[in-house]
Amino acid sequence: AQSVTQPDIHITVSEGASLELRCNYSYGATPYLFWYVQSPGQGLQLLLKYFSGDTLVQGIKGFEAEFKRSQSSFNLRKPSVHWSDAAEYFCAVAGGSQGNLIFGKGTKLSVKP
Amino acid sequence: DTGVSQDPRHKITKRGQNVTFRCDPISEHNRLYWYRQTLGQGPEFLTYFQNEAQLEKSRLLSDRFSAERPKGSFSTLEIQRTEQGDSAMYLCASSPWTVNTEAFFGQGTRLTVV
Repeated sequence: AQSVTQPDIHITVSEGASLELRCNYSYGATPYLFWYVQSPGQGLQLLLKYFSGDTLVQGIKGFEAEFKRSQSSFNLRKPSVHWSDAAEYFCAVAGGSQGNLIFGKGTKLSVKP
Repeated sequence: DTGVSQDPRHKITKRGQNVTFRCDPISEHNRLYWYRQTLGQGPEFLTYFQNEAQLEKSRLLSDRFSAERPKGSFSTLEIQRTEQGDSAMYLCASSPWTVNTEAFFGQGTRLTVV
């Protein structure tokens, strides 16, 4: 069955430091992969997506992610974190024939001044 | 276009009552999804509409849940005889009928059953 694992429940980084959030997926075919961000009490905003082609994808707010098929991973990175990046981050794979998403449990990011 | 709109944003109800939520997707998006998100978890898929047809339902969607999308526009999600375990954020998303596109999410409806 398709699944997404985000190993880190909570990460704290200092403002200006680099960030990497891990995501591993289980999917039989070529996956469609997504990273979404959610602020408290809010809906989900798409950061970036991977469908095919270049395995390094650029997103909004300075985020990027790299698809590594051999490792079944799609890790999210940012070179310098801003206080406004504090939120919860969800990795997802399009799991069904209808395009419904399977989400990981999320990683909560805290940013220290 | 203002994006996906959900109403109400918050709902508090007593156990056993019925509640109904509304979702207005982005215009001309013919795919519509409902998800449920409980505290500390990622969203979980509930059901999918293509235009007015409900094409897929998760096993999470018990008999007390029903969803409709009349005329392929807005959608409603009704929960009958609410239980405390129904307390969650209910998210709606829509996308166009094209390959290689993402789903756009609404702000969600936070349901609290007391």
